[in-house]
Amino acid sequence: KAGVTQTPRYLIKTRGQQVTLSCSPISGHRSVSWYQQTPGQGLQFLFEYFSETQRNKGNFPGRFSGRQFSNSRSEMNVSTLELGDSALYLCASSPVPPGNALEQFFGPGTRLTVL
Amino acid sequence: GEDVEQSLFLSVREGDSSVINCTYTDSSSTYLYWYKQEPGAGLQLLTYIFSNMDMKQDQRLTVLLNKKDKHLSLRIADTQTGDSAIYFCAVSNAGKSTFGDGTTLTVKP
Repeated sequence: KAGVTQTPRYLIKTRGQQVTLSCSPISGHRSVSWYQQTPGQGLQFLFEYFSETQRNKGNFPGRFSGRQFSNSRSEMNVSTLELGDSALYLCASSPVPPGNALEQFFGPGTRLTVL
Repeated sequence: GEDVEQSLFLSVREGDSSVINCTYTDSSSTYLYWYKQEPGAGLQLLTYIFSNMDMKQDQRLTVLLNKKDKHLSLRIADTQTGDSAIYFCAVSNAGKSTFGDGTTLTVKP
């Protein structure tokens, strides 16, 4: 069974631009979570989707948004990029609904660099 | 909100046991996890424990949970150089996971 895939793996953008990252969960998994990982802030929870609905949201500005499609694939979008948005963005999928998060399987991440 | 804390670094000799510690604040956390991250990779779930358990053993890994002190530990027996990585403690409640900042484990030959 294929693991969680994220595209692209690496991305370089400039301040003010917007970016869209994609995540394909493990087949059959309906819950997808997004995290931002930086050396200074560690791993920060962005949001979680289940069956195309956002169930949980972390403490990030409205520039960060996401969505989930009917096939459980998810995208996150960051608008008006800032230098501080440079980070590794990790996606994780889970077979069970939010509230029963037994296991999360992480993708390799997308390394975003904002110049 | 929930806070999860870990020491940042641990160095051990190959063959020794490693113990990585974690403390958390939310007593209603239902699941507690240990993840491993190798350079350039995502997080790999190593093991987890339910909040109603005190201990879980899985081959070389032993997880101990002290709910009273809100303390979680991961013991790696017979640590190998391949165990060198960053280890994250995470707790979850109502579908939301909070991670510690990670402990970098260095295993010296």
